[in-house]
Amino acid sequence: NAGVTQTPKFQVLKTGQSMTLQCAQDMNHNSMYWYRQDPGMGLRLIYYSASEGTTDKGEVPNGYNVSRLNKREFSLRLESAAPSQTSVYFCASSYQENQPQHFGDGTRLSIL
Amino acid sequence: ELKVEQNPLFLSMQEGKNYTIYCNYSTTSDRLYWYRQDPGKSLESLFVLLSNGAVKQEGRLMASLDTKARLSTLHITAAVHDLSATYFCAVDIGGNYKLTFGKGTLLTVNP
Repeated sequence: NAGVTQTPKFQVLKTGQSMTLQCAQDMNHNSMYWYRQDPGMGLRLIYYSASEGTTDKGEVPNGYNVSRLNKREFSLRLESAAPSQTSVYFCASSYQENQPQHFGDGTRLSIL
Repeated sequence: ELKVEQNPLFLSMQEGKNYTIYCNYSTTSDRLYWYRQDPGKSLESLFVLLSNGAVKQEGRLMASLDTKARLSTLHITAAVHDLSATYFCAVDIGGNYKLTFGKGTLLTVNP
């Protein structure tokens, strides 16, 4: 019962480096999401994919790109990491719009 | 722009006491979700409220939704230490998949 799997769990980058956060779900969900969580800010939506083949911007998309590789996988890319992108990143998925989202365990990303 | 406000942000309570967390939102919506997060962990779905007057209960937690007042409450009955966590409400405006979260309420239940 894997649910939503995120890799890596921890990462330290230098300013200007790039990296891709991976997310996969095995629940046959249609929709997938990327959030960032910062202290005192709750969760903020970065990008989402309502269904395979579509992606849309959320509240804080600047500095990020996403790819919905197939129904199972949704990746988040930081092209040129900045210290302001230090955060905990959560991937989530849901079967459809008014269903609860299931979250992965998060990726703790530090950018120096 | 949808705004979601939770009150209080910090709550310290004694075991056995009752308390309520409030979630107000700024735009008409009939879809509200409650999540729990333990320190350093992921988020766990607690309740999904999809209509005015909806009430859901699980153990010592009960959630309700008043769409006319744009208000949801999470009521805690006879708190126990295991309920210590951060609780988030989240709202979406139907049709656009964008879930907006409150900042969370850090609940600490003391013996």
